[in-house]
Amino acid sequence: QKEVEQDPGPLSVPEGAIVSLNCTYSNSAFQYFMWYRQYSRKGPELLMYTYSSGNKEDGRFTAQVDKSSKYISLFIRDSQPSDSATYLCAMGDTGNQFYFGTGTSLTVIP
Amino acid sequence: ETGVTQSPTHLIKTRGQQVTLRCSSQSGHNTVSWYQQALGQGPQFIFQYYREEENGRGNFPPRFSGLQFPNYSSELNVNALELDDSALYLCASSLELAETYEQYFGPGTRLTVT
Repeated sequence: QKEVEQDPGPLSVPEGAIVSLNCTYSNSAFQYFMWYRQYSRKGPELLMYTYSSGNKEDGRFTAQVDKSSKYISLFIRDSQPSDSATYLCAMGDTGNQFYFGTGTSLTVIP
Repeated sequence: ETGVTQSPTHLIKTRGQQVTLRCSSQSGHNTVSWYQQALGQGPQFIFQYYREEENGRGNFPPRFSGLQFPNYSSELNVNALELDDSALYLCASSLELAETYEQYFGPGTRLTVT
């Protein structure tokens, strides 16, 4: 079983839609949770990080962590064509080694 | 402020050869992590360097080795290249070891092994 599972998609939505991206994990010791955005042929760009459980909001982005269900989510409100990218979740327990999901490919159609 | 830079951008090597990839961390960052990202996959942790010492290693064989220099730049060396080593190699830097969760990635080096 992989440490982190992420639906690869692809996910296609119309502009302005709310996007929900999710990851599940198996290691209950994980307490650092991150979301990255990766454009084609570029390195991942950190969007948000959360420590332990709870919600975090930054502009149009909201990250949620449910440790009881071992489930994390990223919501994108009012999605824009520029949001079209691959979204990677990442998590870890010690704070130095992180496990990434395979990424979800998102296309926002104008 | 200069971001994380990596060189070269692309590289083609033959099976059995050796390769060295380079990374300059973001200004003021003393911690560097290296990742391998195969096509269609998420990055996999190779190892991390903090103040010139290895601080954690993923599930990679010893032919993957690294260095960090006093200016915190870093190298990844891979010996005896195999076809499966073809991937995007990413380095990421963070301000401090304790803040690795807030790491910033370079654009990567795309290695092709033939």
